[in-house]
Amino acid sequence: DVVMTQSPLSLPVTLGQPASMSCGSSQSLVSSDGNTYLSWFHQRPGQSPRRLINKVSERDSGVPDRISGSGSGTDFTLTISRVEAEDLGVYYCMQGTHWPYTFGQGTNLEIK
Amino acid sequence: QVQLVQSGSELKKPGASVKVSCKASGYIFTNYGMNWVRQAPGQGLEWMGWINTNTGNPTYVQDFTGRFVFSLDTAVSTAFMQIFSLQADDTAVYYCTMGPYLDHWGQGTLVTVSS
Repeated sequence: DVVMTQSPLSLPVTLGQPASMSCGSSQSLVSSDGNTYLSWFHQRPGQSPRRLINKVSERDSGVPDRISGSGSGTDFTLTISRVEAEDLGVYYCMQGTHWPYTFGQGTNLEIK
Repeated sequence: QVQLVQSGSELKKPGASVKVSCKASGYIFTNYGMNWVRQAPGQGLEWMGWINTNTGNPTYVQDFTGRFVFSLDTAVSTAFMQIFSLQADDTAVYYCTMGPYLDHWGQGTLVTVSS
């Protein structure tokens, strides 16, 4: 199985400041169809996860443009340009290129 | 809008079975597969597998073969996940999530296994 490794596991931030987190995969996530199936999910405490980003950088409907995804191959980044209170919680990356889908262990975005 | 509404929390004894439902609305149910994801207490997310809502064919990740069964009632746009011979380490929140890349999620169902 493809191993997804996120860092850092805990990310203390100041509201209004930028934040960035990384996700690495043990194999390239470029699919035979040319797409890279790397998604980001956000889970607030006590809530179900919500997908934010699909295929590395495609924002889902309703996701603010201060949240962006980038990367290629085996290295990916989620960036929040100005952290707001609603952004706190755990962020998971997930690869959907290789079977079975696998998640990273999560990055907990918390107030400094 | 897409909605997935799951059944309520369950408390079961070891050895019992449980069936979690996931009722879909806001889209054509048979157009998108349904995935199941497990989250143990304080832990991350594990993809359990998915069911093709067109054919009814389930696919299970290796760790979820044998005691786990995915099924459908397409007449009422509902997917089910059943666990047999429950063990303490089956205690978790189970999510249904639709679409090839987990586009939308249910609210989760807490299954607690305790004697």
